[in-house]
Amino acid sequence: GESVGLHLPTLSVQEGDNSIINCAYSNSASDYFIWYKQESGKGPQFIIDIRSNMDKRQGQRVTVLLNKTVKHLSLQIAATQPGDSAVYFCAENDPQGGKLIFGQGTELSVKP
Amino acid sequence: ETGVTQTPRHLVMGMTNKKSLKCEQHLGHNAMYWYKQSAKKPLELMFVYNFKEQTENNSVPSRFSPECPNSSHLFLHLHTLQPEDSALYLCASSQDNEQYFGPGTRLTVT
Repeated sequence: GESVGLHLPTLSVQEGDNSIINCAYSNSASDYFIWYKQESGKGPQFIIDIRSNMDKRQGQRVTVLLNKTVKHLSLQIAATQPGDSAVYFCAENDPQGGKLIFGQGTELSVKP
Repeated sequence: ETGVTQTPRHLVMGMTNKKSLKCEQHLGHNAMYWYKQSAKKPLELMFVYNFKEQTENNSVPSRFSPECPNSSHLFLHLHTLQPEDSALYLCASSQDNEQYFGPGTRLTVT
C-alpha cells in the first residue's frame, strides 16, 4: 500500500514566470536522463533528454541542466503557461540493467 | 499521439473476474514495457519484452500475466486481482533509451 504521509512535491508559479523543477538521481553510472510531462488522464510524454557527457541541453522553452558532481538534474521552463500544468518526472537510465528508473514526480501548477 | 495505443482506457472489475489489457505500438520498436502507476508513487516497472522475449519480471505477482505475440502487441492478463491493484497501467515501447508511453488503462478492482 501507499506510505502514510507521502506527498507529491508541488510547485506553483505565476503565468509568464520561469519554472525550475529539480530531481536528484541515485546512480553515478547513469548515462542518460529524460524529463517527462504527464497531464491529468494521459500517459507520460517525452520533453527533453540529456546524455551524461553534456551538462546542458536546450529545447523549445525548456532547458535541462545536469550536475554529475552532486547527481542533480533540473528542468527549466521559460515563460510558463497554463498548458504547462502537469506532473513532471525525471528518469535515469541504468546502463547495467538497461532500464529507466523514474523519480516520484513534481506537480507544477500555473496560476493565470 | 505517441504511436502507442492502449485499450480499454477504463476498466472496473471484481476480484473474481478475468480481463486483459491490450497495448499496440505503431513505431517499429523492439522493446515493450508494462508499468504500474499508483497515486503519489514513482512508476513501477512490471515487465519488459525485447523482440517478443520477456527480459524482465520485476517480482510481479502471478495474478498478472503478460503476453507478447509479436513486437507490436503486448497484453496483460488479469485474474483474481486485489483492491490494491487498482492503478493506472501504462504500456511503453522503445528502440533505444527513450520510451514512448500509451495513455494508460485506469483499472479499478472492486
